[in-house]
Amino acid sequence: SQTIHQWPATLVQPVGSPLSLECTVEGTSNPNLYWYRQAAGRGLQLLFYSVGIGQISSEVPQNLSASRPQDRQFILSSKKLLLSDSGFYLCAWRTGNNSPLHFGNGTRLTVT
Amino acid sequence: EDQVTQSPEALRLQEGESSSLNCSYTVSGLRGLFWYRQDPGKGPEFLFTLYSAGEEKEKERLKATLTKKESFLHITAPKPEDSATYLCAVLENNNDMRFGAGTRLTVKP
Repeated sequence: SQTIHQWPATLVQPVGSPLSLECTVEGTSNPNLYWYRQAAGRGLQLLFYSVGIGQISSEVPQNLSASRPQDRQFILSSKKLLLSDSGFYLCAWRTGNNSPLHFGNGTRLTVT
Repeated sequence: EDQVTQSPEALRLQEGESSSLNCSYTVSGLRGLFWYRQDPGKGPEFLFTLYSAGEEKEKERLKATLTKKESFLHITAPKPEDSATYLCAVLENNNDMRFGAGTRLTVKP
C-alpha cells in the first residue's frame, strides 16, 4: 500500500532563516506530487506541483520554491522566511488524471 | 469565477441527530468531486469520489451524493468520533483541483 511521509510535524523559525520541508511517497512510482498551504477557515491553496523528476510548476508567486530530486521525493524551500509564510503545509500525491489526492499529515510552520 | 462553497461553516449536532453538509460548485467542467475528513493538526483523509450526477457512495454513517450543481454529505446517527472538518474538492476539466473551506462538525454525546 502507498504511504506518504512529511516532516517535520512542527517548526518554529525566525524571520530571514532558511526553510526545507521534505515529503516522500512509498509504494507507488511516478506519482504527481503537490505542495499546498492551508490557512484557517480557508480552502487549500496549491503552491507547487510536479509530474516528474525536475519538473516543477508554480501556481502563485511567493517566497517559496520546490524541487523534486528523486521520483518520490518533494522538497519545499525558502532562502529567507517571511512572517507571512507561517501556516500549515501539506504534501500530497496522486496517480492518474481523475484520481483523488492523498495527503501527508502536514507541517505547522510558525515564523517568529 | 469558478468556486466551491461549503455550508454551513460549522455544525453542532447531538449524538444520533442526522444531518447533511453541502458543497456547491460553479466550475467550467466537472471531472470529479472528492470528499475528505480532516482532524485537527492532521492532513485531509480521503473519503469518497463522485464522478457523475446521480452517483452515490456510502461508508459507515456517511453517504455522499452528487447533482449537477452540488454534493451532499449525509451523516446518519452521528457519533462523537465523527467530529472533524469535512472538505470537498472539485476536479475541473483543466485539471485544477479546487477546494472548499470546509464544514467543521461537532457531535456532542
